[in-house]
Amino acid sequence: DSGVTQTPKHLITATGQRVTLRCSPRSGDLSVYWYQQSLDQGLQFLIQYYNGEERAKGNILERFSAQQFPDLHSELNLSSLELGDSALYFCASSVRDSGNEQFFGPGTRLTVL
Amino acid sequence: ILNVEQSPQSLHVQEGDSTNFTCSFPSSNFYALHWYRWETAKSPEALFVMTLNGDEKKKGRISATLNTKEGYSYLYIKGSQPEDSATYLCALGSGQGGKLIFGQGTELSVKP
Repeated sequence: DSGVTQTPKHLITATGQRVTLRCSPRSGDLSVYWYQQSLDQGLQFLIQYYNGEERAKGNILERFSAQQFPDLHSELNLSSLELGDSALYFCASSVRDSGNEQFFGPGTRLTVL
Repeated sequence: ILNVEQSPQSLHVQEGDSTNFTCSFPSSNFYALHWYRWETAKSPEALFVMTLNGDEKKKGRISATLNTKEGYSYLYIKGSQPEDSATYLCALGSGQGGKLIFGQGTELSVKP
């Protein structure tokens, strides 16, 4: 157990819908990262927040957005869902904003039908 | 676009064999190199973070080396055990915050 929690574990929804994935980092970690793992792709970095501020951005779609709250938990919002958004979404956390190991949560499996 | 390459894609060894995998990256874009171990139905687990050319890290039977000038890192497993079966991922720290660029991984299967 890494200490990073993610909810829900599984999510099944329809195209066009909007969902919110939630992540609580390890106690004391200020950085939160979101990654996407699709069937035909490796782990793809989406976005990082550090102490409430956006720190780095990957190839995150405009339909996706994220934020980190004052209590340091983070939410990833996915809207106008398409079949291709079906994937495993991981959250990770680390103490600093760069250069140290990231601790991964168990992931949320999103299925868009 | 930064590209991280891992080889081989998969590896099947017998219990007791020693094995190694390679991670290649553009040497001009080096900031940090991470190794992760990812077991099926679990989440990736950090093994090493390496930042200096010539770095060598060890954790039990697993060790890693880093050559930033030529852009590669090796991961070694000595005396593989069935519980070592997993996908081993390397990731390049890009210098943009903590953004990591992952390779496709090497899938290791160790048969008893």
